Amino acid sequence: DIQMTQSPSSLSASVGDRVTITCQASQDIRQYLNWYQQKPGKAPKLLIYDASNLETGVPSRFSGSGSGTDFTFTISGLQPEDMATYYCQQSDNLPYTFGQGTKLEIK
Amino acid sequence: QVQLLESGPGLVKPSETLSLTCTVSGVSNSSYYWSWIRQPPGKGLEWIGYIYYSGSTNYNPALKSRVTISVDTSKNQFSLKVTSVTAADTAVYYCASPFFQHWGQGTLVTVSS
Repeated sequence: DIQMTQSPSSLSASVGDRVTITCQASQDIRQYLNWYQQKPGKAPKLLIYDASNLETGVPSRFSGSGSGTDFTFTISGLQPEDMATYYCQQSDNLPYTFGQGTKLEIK
Repeated sequence: QVQLLESGPGLVKPSETLSLTCTVSGVSNSSYYWSWIRQPPGKGLEWIGYIYYSGSTNYNPALKSRVTISVDTSKNQFSLKVTSVTAADTAVYYCASPFFQHWGQGTLVTVSS
């Protein structure tokens, strides 16, 4: 199985900050990397697919980049409603696997 | 608008079979895969498997011996069965549309006697 390693596991930031989360795959997954936002008690919501494509309706302050094994997720201008846990997931090889999550708190 | 809704018992006894159904609305058919994912309380996400409307399946090897996913296209439903459950199968179970674009609200299944 492909292991997905996210960092950091948690972070605290202020409204307006730029926040970056990284995700590293244990082998090449090309561009097949998704990013999700999960709020407490809710299902994950797809934000970014294929590493850098913004899902319809998702605010443009969310962005993603990378290919191969190293990927980055960025929130430019953090908003209070962005408090959530964020997950990466590879969809290149079966079984699909997720990172362990990054819990984002607002200072 | 695509909507998914999981249904099934919230409590299952150890060694018994967990059975859930996902009812899909807003799409009549799809050439792509529909997935089940689970999340133990306070933990991360685990992909269980998927099924195409044709009936073709693929499962996570970690669960493959105990999992069956099936589809009923006439009802726009797909189902999950997990046999011989233990406390480790306690989780919120989600169904998701192709490419994980849409998810159900999730349903908590607790394995306990």
